[in-house]
Amino acid sequence: DIQMTQSPSSLSASVGDRVTISCRASLSISNYVNWYQQKPGKAPKLLISVAFGLQSGVPSRFSGSGSGTEFTLTISSLQPEDFATYYCQQSYSGPPTFGQGTKVEV
Amino acid sequence: EVQLVESGGGLVQPGGSLRLSCAASGFTLSSYDVHWVRQPTGKGLEWVSTIGTSGDTYYADSVKGRFTISREDAKNSFSLQMNNLRAGDTAVYFCARGSGLPEIPWFDPWGQGSLVTVSS
Repeated sequence: DIQMTQSPSSLSASVGDRVTISCRASLSISNYVNWYQQKPGKAPKLLISVAFGLQSGVPSRFSGSGSGTEFTLTISSLQPEDFATYYCQQSYSGPPTFGQGTKVEV
Repeated sequence: EVQLVESGGGLVQPGGSLRLSCAASGFTLSSYDVHWVRQPTGKGLEWVSTIGTSGDTYYADSVKGRFTISREDAKNSFSLQMNNLRAGDTAVYFCARGSGLPEIPWFDPWGQGSLVTVSS
């Protein structure tokens, strides 16, 4: 199985900050990475998909980049509603696997 | 509105069985692969099982032989039958609609989650 490793596991940030979350795959997966946001007690929400990029309704301050084994989710200017846990997920080879999550805290 | 709603979670003893169901609305279920993903309390996400539009099924090694996924497109629902449950199966279980290939999907949307607790 392909292992996805996120860093950091958690980070502290303030409103208006630029936030970068990294995700590393255990082998090259082209650009087959998807990103999710999860708030406490809620289901994950797809932010960015490999096929369609930024999902409809997701603010443009979110962006994803990378290929091969290194990927990044960037929030250009953190807003109060962005405090959450973020997960990367590979859809290159089965089974689909997730990173362990990055919690963005105040 | 596209929506998935789970039901059937609860407390079960080790070795027991439980059936989770997911009701779909706002889209044609027969056109999509569907999945179950679980999340132990305070931990990350783990894919559990997939059923494709043709009825092809896929399972995580940790549940293979114990869990069975099925779908009833005419009723806009799909299910996860969980047998011989273990403490390690304790988690919130999410149903999700898939895109892409069934073996390598991304998940959107997700249901609200259903807690399964395996304990004596």
